[in-house]
Amino acid sequence: LAKTTQPISMDSYEGQEVNITCSHNNIATNDYITWYQQFPSQGPRFIIQGYKTKVTNEVASLFIPADRKSSTLSLPRVSLSDTAVYYCLVNTGTASKLTFGTGTRLQVTL
Amino acid sequence: DVKVTQSSRYLVKRTGEKVFLECVQDMDHENMFWYRQDPGLGLRLIYFSYDVKMKEKGDIPEGYSVSREKKERFSLILESASTNQTSMYLCASSPLDREAEQYFGPGTRLTVT
Repeated sequence: LAKTTQPISMDSYEGQEVNITCSHNNIATNDYITWYQQFPSQGPRFIIQGYKTKVTNEVASLFIPADRKSSTLSLPRVSLSDTAVYYCLVNTGTASKLTFGTGTRLQVTL
Repeated sequence: DVKVTQSSRYLVKRTGEKVFLECVQDMDHENMFWYRQDPGLGLRLIYFSYDVKMKEKGDIPEGYSVSREKKERFSLILESASTNQTSMYLCASSPLDREAEQYFGPGTRLTVT
């Protein structure tokens, strides 16, 4: 299983750009990188998925360097409502191998 | 929008009771999943199903069983509830070829006393 490592927590002020980096040193050739967001008392929500270089959607951007051993989730101009736990996953291609770690708890303040 | 619903948000059961947790999705997804989430442990996969009547064990299947008689419905069964099964239970679904793009329900917080 490709293990992921990400910071336990991060703090930011409203309006700033937040970058959360995830390490996945033993990522396999066919693996994708997926990020989820979870608010208290809710199920996780799919944010973005990528394989290499850069992916952008209306919520976030995902940067993946050429060696794919890490990835960075970028949240532009965060607001208080972005306070949540963010999970990085590496998908090994079979549903049984999706592993959610303990995630990064992002706290956004005024 | 994809919608995954779970039968209860909160449930309190006694030790030894048989517990059914129901999950329904409305997007015709092939894959369905049951997780439990505990503080400090993240989400752990209990079982998943990629088709009607098909099931696969996840990381922590002991003490649980599942049933998938219809594509849209996936049930988690605790045959004899124990206090260590007190947890938040989350159901999810995903398309067959995008198993990492999972859509989660709101969760059921189960307390076993």
